[in-house]
Amino acid sequence: ILNVEQSPQSLHVQEGDSTNFTCSFPSSNFYALHWYRWETAKSPEALFVMTLNGDEKKKGRISATLNTKEGYSYLYIKGSQPEDSATYLCASTVAQKLVFGQGTRLTINP
Amino acid sequence: GAGVSQSPRYKVAKRGQDVALRCDPISGHVSLFWYQQALGQGPEFLTYFQNEAQLDKSGLPSDRFFAERPEGSVSTLKIQRTQQEDSAVYLCASSIQTSPNSYEQYFGPGTRLTVT
Repeated sequence: ILNVEQSPQSLHVQEGDSTNFTCSFPSSNFYALHWYRWETAKSPEALFVMTLNGDEKKKGRISATLNTKEGYSYLYIKGSQPEDSATYLCASTVAQKLVFGQGTRLTINP
Repeated sequence: GAGVSQSPRYKVAKRGQDVALRCDPISGHVSLFWYQQALGQGPEFLTYFQNEAQLDKSGLPSDRFFAERPEGSVSTLKIQRTQQEDSAVYLCASSIQTSPNSYEQYFGPGTRLTVT
């Protein structure tokens, strides 16, 4: 059974502060790790797809790292803004399908 | 270009009623996936199509759930004799790739089903 775990489950951050959260996944038979941002009533938006150990990706103020040997990925948000409030999902690819964690619900306080 | 669309966005069904949820994938995307997200949990895989072929239905929770994609484009997820535990957000995703690797899945906004 493949378990993808995310922590924390929820997070409140002051506007302007930086934050990060974790996704852990089984490292055996790894294909890819995906990060999505999901705002209420909208489609989950793909942020990153990472495949290589040591990979680092960046999109504006958001970045992610990947360690496939130990089975974890970090998502970082620098200088949080109110529009960053969303649920952040990570997922591992298993035979085409995505296996998701429970998500980290991020709230930015103005 | 147009993304993945789903309809209806919200559906309230009485227990025992049949429902049909529709997904329009991105044009040209070969692969189509259905996921179910129960309250407080991450999305869970239900079933997967490559063109019109249903290659994996291991996530369908019971024989009340049925999915089809007859022409390899639009897909319908049907739930017969709905139960309260079927209340969830049903997400559809499509992907251009067919190989069993890392490619990105593009999601629709979901259908929120509430069974009363």
